[in-house]
Amino acid sequence: DAKTTQPNSMESNEEEPVHLPCNHSTISGTDYIHWYRQLPSQGPEYVIHGLTSNVNNRMASLAIAEDRKSSTLILHRATLRDAAVYYCILSNGNNRKLIWGLGTSLAVNP
Amino acid sequence: GAGVSQSPSNKVTEKGKDVELRCDPISGHTALYWYRQSLGQGLEFLIYFQGNSAPDKSGLPSDRFSAERTGGSVSTLTIQRTQQEDSAVYLCASSVLAARAGELFFGEGSRLTVL
Repeated sequence: DAKTTQPNSMESNEEEPVHLPCNHSTISGTDYIHWYRQLPSQGPEYVIHGLTSNVNNRMASLAIAEDRKSSTLILHRATLRDAAVYYCILSNGNNRKLIWGLGTSLAVNP
Repeated sequence: GAGVSQSPSNKVTEKGKDVELRCDPISGHTALYWYRQSLGQGLEFLIYFQGNSAPDKSGLPSDRFSAERTGGSVSTLTIQRTQQEDSAVYLCASSVLAARAGELFFGEGSRLTVL
């Protein structure tokens, strides 16, 4: 199963945009790109997913590179409640094959 | 409630004792997953149930671990003869389908501490 690479940590200021990168150079043509986040002492929470085209929802936007070897999760205006660990995950087949790395720990400064 | 419910939220036990962790998935979700998360680590897949199909047990770390799902709803994860390395947060998730693009809904987890 293809793996992803993310920075260990990032920092942002409140109300500023945040761009969380993810590299997945071994992605296959049928892999979906998923993003989840995990707030302290909680289970992971779905954020967004995509295949080839950029995606937008109420929480975030997902920008996928044309060659699909990388993607970026965009939080348009960070809030203190967005401080969490963000996981970028690939899935091919079904959800039990999701490989969870260590994610990016996002700190949001007031 | 409408979400995935797990109990107990915290469990402290002595080495060698058996523990049972319970998961009540979202009503109507046919797929149910158990994951384990050790301190500072990502999630580790344990077991997966989908409808009436045989469960995928490929992630269970040893034969001390077992799980069942009764009536296609509630699931119980059992750890026999607990060891200190079993200490972790055990997370349950459910989804409508096992489709690769399906969204997983997680519970808040059961934190297990083995002394």
